[in-house]
Amino acid sequence: AQSVTQLGSHVSVSEGALVLLRCNYSSSVPPYLFWYVQYPNQGLQLLLKYTSAATLVKGINGFEAEFKKSETSFHLTKPSAHMSDAAEYFCAVSGLTQTGANNLFFGTGTRLTVIP
Amino acid sequence: DVKVTQSSRYLVKRTGEKVFLECVQDMDHENMFWYRQDPGLGLRLIYFSYDVKMKEKGDIPEGYSVSREKKERFSLILESASTNQTSMYLCASSSLDRGRNQPQHFGDGTRLSIL
Repeated sequence: AQSVTQLGSHVSVSEGALVLLRCNYSSSVPPYLFWYVQYPNQGLQLLLKYTSAATLVKGINGFEAEFKKSETSFHLTKPSAHMSDAAEYFCAVSGLTQTGANNLFFGTGTRLTVIP
Repeated sequence: DVKVTQSSRYLVKRTGEKVFLECVQDMDHENMFWYRQDPGLGLRLIYFSYDVKMKEKGDIPEGYSVSREKKERFSLILESASTNQTSMYLCASSSLDRGRNQPQHFGDGTRLSIL
């Protein structure tokens, strides 16, 4: 079975500071991992994905994530926070149902606040 | 770009009503999903469909049903709405790939209030 755990439901950073959002996964097979962002009153938008190629994955808006198998982690980082980064972030792991359908298992989300 | 369109952004219904939430995607995706999102609980899968007229239960199917008569459209039905079904509902679609690396694309959500 697959699952993800996001450590910290709320994270606050100052504008210009490093952003670090934590995600640990559990998967019985080599995982495919995703980070999504959700702005207020909108759906989820894909930030980046890991599909077993390079362990350091670059996404949109200056975000990146590093896959660390030994730590079962896929933390999201950005060197310098911007006010527009304030949103909720979801980590997800891909899994297959018994019928072979592609499915995602989401964490509970981390709300990022950026302080001016 | 993939476009997933949910028919309503905001909806208010009364307890006991039958409620239909509609979702349409324009990328010929095989898979479509319905989630509900509640504070502190993240996204929970209600139902998904991997082909026309096919459906599979997710984690919380009780009180819901779905319909997929055409490939591009996936409907969520609340048979008899209750106040505990007040939530944000998100629809998503993805292409079929047993390699698992196809991400899901989401609509903007429907915020449903049951009074």
